[in-house]
Amino acid sequence: QKEVEQNSGPLSVPEGAIASLNCTYSDRVSQSFFWYRQYSGKSPELIMSIYSNGDKEDGRFTAQLNKASQYVSLLIRDSQPSDSATYLCAVNTYSGNTPLVFGKGTRLSVIA
Amino acid sequence: GAVVSQHPSWVICKSGTSVKIECRSLDFQATTMFWYRQFPKQSLMLMATSNEGSKATYEQGVEKDKFLINHASLTLSTLTVTSAHPEDSSFYICSARVSGDTQYFGPGTRLTVL
Repeated sequence: QKEVEQNSGPLSVPEGAIASLNCTYSDRVSQSFFWYRQYSGKSPELIMSIYSNGDKEDGRFTAQLNKASQYVSLLIRDSQPSDSATYLCAVNTYSGNTPLVFGKGTRLSVIA
Repeated sequence: GAVVSQHPSWVICKSGTSVKIECRSLDFQATTMFWYRQFPKQSLMLMATSNEGSKATYEQGVEKDKFLINHASLTLSTLTVTSAHPEDSSFYICSARVSGDTQYFGPGTRLTVL
């Protein structure tokens, strides 16, 4: 059973701080990793993908991947109240037509 | 990113009726689409994988005769909830994969069964 684990939260951070969201996965052969954001009552939207060890930055978001530790994280700099949402980590193990394996999500609350 | 649409965005129906939800890939072809269900304050639950031109693959515990999936073209998959009951009320979301492994989600359909 391939699993993706996330702390359910809520994670509360003050406005302007860095929010750090973490995710671990069980399948060592996983190849690609994704972060989605889901606002309450809405569907998930893709924020970032990462495929190689190290950091990948996109605006205020930085994804970090460590395949040896089977760990992927998302940092949100200068957090804003509009960042308050549930963040889903997703992992792809197989190529082809299999779905991504999603974690249950971490709820982030940014306090103004 | 790729665009996936769903129709309708919300629907209210009477118990015992059937409801069809459409999922379309607007700017790409999707040989595979996925259907999810999400109850309030709960996580996404994968219901089935929809393959163009072949039968859908259902997850364990999902009744294939109740949730009929048809993927007749490379841009359209439909989910029909047959003989809907109040416990089927949920948020139904489709997604499609683009060139490899990235999945994009549709906006979702909120179903309320009275």
